Amino acid sequence: DVVVTQSPLSLPVTLGQPASISCRSSQSLVHSDGNTYLNWFQQRPGQSPRRLIYRISNRDSGVPDRFSGSGSGTDFTLKISRVEAEDVGIYYCMQATRWPQTFGQGTKVEIK
Amino acid sequence: EVQLVESGGGLVQPGGSLRLSCAVSGFTFRSYWMHWVRQAPGQGLVWVSRIHTDGSLINYADSVKGRFTISRDNAKNTLYLQMNSLRAEDTAVYYCVAGLGDFWGQGTLVTVSS
Repeated sequence: DVVVTQSPLSLPVTLGQPASISCRSSQSLVHSDGNTYLNWFQQRPGQSPRRLIYRISNRDSGVPDRFSGSGSGTDFTLKISRVEAEDVGIYYCMQATRWPQTFGQGTKVEIK
Repeated sequence: EVQLVESGGGLVQPGGSLRLSCAVSGFTFRSYWMHWVRQAPGQGLVWVSRIHTDGSLINYADSVKGRFTISRDNAKNTLYLQMNSLRAEDTAVYYCVAGLGDFWGQGTLVTVSS
């Protein structure tokens, strides 16, 4: 299975400051069709996950533009330009290039 | 409005069975691969199973292979997960998921305990 490793696992952030989460995979996530199926999800406390970013850098509908994704191959990053109170939760990266699709361990974002 | 509504969870003894359902509305169900993802209490997300749009291709995680069966009824816009020979380690919230995480249900809790 492709192992997906996130860092840090805990991220205390000051409101209005930027935040960055790293996601690394044990194998290249470039699919034979040329796409890279690396997605980012947010899970707020007590809620289901929701997708924020698909295929590295594409924001889902309704996702604020303070969220951005980047990377290639095996190294990827989710950035929040200015953290707001509603961003508290756990963030997961997920690879869907190879079955079984696998998630990172999750990064808990909290306000300092 | 997109809705995925899971049902069928509950408390079951080890070795028992449950059937989860996921009723979908607000998007074209038959056009999406569908998945079950689970989350053990206080833990992360784990993919359990997936099924092609027409049911022609199915995959399972090794941990559930031979015990769980995924299926779908495109006429009823419903996804299913038949879970047999349940173990304590199957205890989790089970989410119904469309596509590659496009849409998620609210989850249904399965507790396996004597």
